[in-house]
Amino acid sequence: QKEVEQNSGPLSVPEGAIASLNCTYSDRGSQSFFWYRQYSGKSPELIMFIYSNGDKEDGRFTAQLNKASQYVSLLIRDSQPSDSATYLCAVRGGRGSTLGRLYFGRGTQLTVWP
Amino acid sequence: EAGVAQSPRYKIIEKRQSVAFWCNPISGHATLYWYQQILGQGPKLLIQFQNNGVVDDSQLPKDRFSAERLKGVDSTLKIQPAKLEDSAVYLCASSLVRDRVMQETQYFGPGTRLLVL
Repeated sequence: QKEVEQNSGPLSVPEGAIASLNCTYSDRGSQSFFWYRQYSGKSPELIMFIYSNGDKEDGRFTAQLNKASQYVSLLIRDSQPSDSATYLCAVRGGRGSTLGRLYFGRGTQLTVWP
Repeated sequence: EAGVAQSPRYKIIEKRQSVAFWCNPISGHATLYWYQQILGQGPKLLIQFQNNGVVDDSQLPKDRFSAERLKGVDSTLKIQPAKLEDSAVYLCASSLVRDRVMQETQYFGPGTRLLVL
């Protein structure tokens, strides 16, 4: 069973702060890592994906990957109340998994208060 | 570009009844996924199609769940008979295959909320 673990939160930060969301995974063969945002009652939408060790930045969002530690994180700079949502970490299975199959964590609920 | 369409959006049934969900993926997307998302959890893959063929149905409870994608476009997911623990959101997603390579991004539909009483 391929596990994806996230700190379930809830995480609460003030507007303008940096929100840090963390995720660990069990399948060492995993190659692709995704962060989805899910507003309450809505479907998940992709924010970022990362393949290589290190940081990947996109606007206020930075994904960080450390394959040796099997750890991926998402930083949200200058957090806004509109960032309040559940953030889902997803990992594409490595060897032995069906191509394209994603394994999701339970999600971290983020609240940004004004 | 139209997104993934699903219907119905909401469904309430009693246990032991049957129910069916419909999904129309983004035009041209060869890969279609059905996920189950129980409240407070992440989506769990039930079945994955590539065109009209099943690629992965290892987590589909085949004694009660079935799915088909006969013409490689629309898909239906059926539950018969439903149990209380089937109460969840059923999400359909699709992704593109370009130059025989599956693209990474999965686009999700709005989901169908099922409540089994």
